[in-house]
Amino acid sequence: DTAVSQTPKYLVTQMGNDKSIKCEQNLGHDTMYWYKQDSKKFLKIMFSYNNKELIINETVPNRFSPKSPDKAHLNLHINSLELGDSAVYFCASSQEERLAGVLYTGELFFGEGSRLTVL
Amino acid sequence: GENVEQHPSTLSVQEGDSAVIKCTYSDSASNYFPWYKQELGKRPQLIIDIRSNVGEKKDQRIAVTLNKTAKHFSLHITETQPEDSAVYFCAASWNTGFQKLVFGTGTRLLVSP
Repeated sequence: DTAVSQTPKYLVTQMGNDKSIKCEQNLGHDTMYWYKQDSKKFLKIMFSYNNKELIINETVPNRFSPKSPDKAHLNLHINSLELGDSAVYFCASSQEERLAGVLYTGELFFGEGSRLTVL
Repeated sequence: GENVEQHPSTLSVQEGDSAVIKCTYSDSASNYFPWYKQELGKRPQLIIDIRSNVGEKKDQRIAVTLNKTAKHFSLHITETQPEDSAVYFCAASWNTGFQKLVFGTGTRLLVSP
């Protein structure tokens, strides 16, 4: 019944390795996101996909490559991991709403987070 | 560029007191302002939101106010309880063709019994 689920919950790896995090949502939302939360708890958007199309790509190193095989899934692959990549990565989804002719971003539903530790 | 400032960064209150967290946004086109609560080790979850067509919204002990002219919005929690202790994030929508949410830097609220 989990709305947004991501795996794995914990990742501990060495510098230079490659790792992937998977995310799935069963809410039927059109838009999915990856957010990074660092040790200071700042929540920073990394990528956003709408119906499998990349729509937001913040200034993220190209070692990070998102992939959306369908609108219910958004995966994140990270190459050549660095110490600074250590963080909690949250997947999220939302559905835009149009009310009285105005388009609003819908509520963000977050996954449980994936804590990545790079040693 | 897009920016949401949030104050204070930490807030300690006694149980039963009120707590107020304030945010300022920069994009006059922002029209959606949610507040998220993140308990320790958990995911952020929406607690209340407000759209730009209203100035205030209340849900039991929590309320949000919006001043579009000043580009300020605030979260008010009354009769705080220890279980209100968490990190609270404000956010504002940013229209880049597709909307996205830009988050404030978070406020750690500690409610002491």
